[in-house]
Amino acid sequence: DSGVTQTPKHLITATGQRVTLRCSPRSGDLSVYWYQQSLDQGLQFLIQYYNGEERAKGNILERFSAQQFPDLHSELNLSSLELGDSALYFCASSTGILAGFSTDTQYFGPGTRLTVL
Amino acid sequence: DAKTTQPPSMDCAEGRAANLPCNHSTISGNEYVYWYRQIHSQGPQYIIHGLKNNETNEMASLIITEDRKSSTLILPHATLRDTAVYYCIVRPNFGNEKLTFGTGTRLTIIP
Repeated sequence: DSGVTQTPKHLITATGQRVTLRCSPRSGDLSVYWYQQSLDQGLQFLIQYYNGEERAKGNILERFSAQQFPDLHSELNLSSLELGDSALYFCASSTGILAGFSTDTQYFGPGTRLTVL
Repeated sequence: DAKTTQPPSMDCAEGRAANLPCNHSTISGNEYVYWYRQIHSQGPQYIIHGLKNNETNEMASLIITEDRKSSTLILPHATLRDTAVYYCIVRPNFGNEKLTFGTGTRLTIIP
């Protein structure tokens, strides 16, 4: 158990809909990362938040957005869903105390499996 | 970020040491080598990381060559639960905190 929690575990929805995925980081961790894993693209970085502020952006679509709240939990919002958005979505967290240094190890949650029908 | 090359698959007998190689010939001086694994569709699990010295923890050992162009992850006594995809990732020690996953090595432990 990494200490990172994600809800829901599974999500089934229809094209055009909007969903929200939630992540609670490990206690004390300030950085939250979102990754997407699809069959054809592998594990890809989407976005990072550090202490409530966006810190880095990866291959995140404009239909997707995220935020980190004062209690440090994060939500990933996916809208106008398409069949191709079906994937596993992982959240990871790190202390962020040494923000900018690679010894700041990321720990991953169990993921949310999104199925768009 | 430096690119890594790993064999797509490997088998190892249960109880034997599993040695997983990774080539990172373009690694630069400020980049660390990280290893993660993913069991089935679970979240990636951190294993170990290092800069230039060999590292060992309760899960594995990491051997980095002197020129740092390649490394080997060693699972000393592989069990069936070690069957997973293993990812070798090179990441700078500041500035770019994301993890860039390649295709990894699918390790199968054979009873």
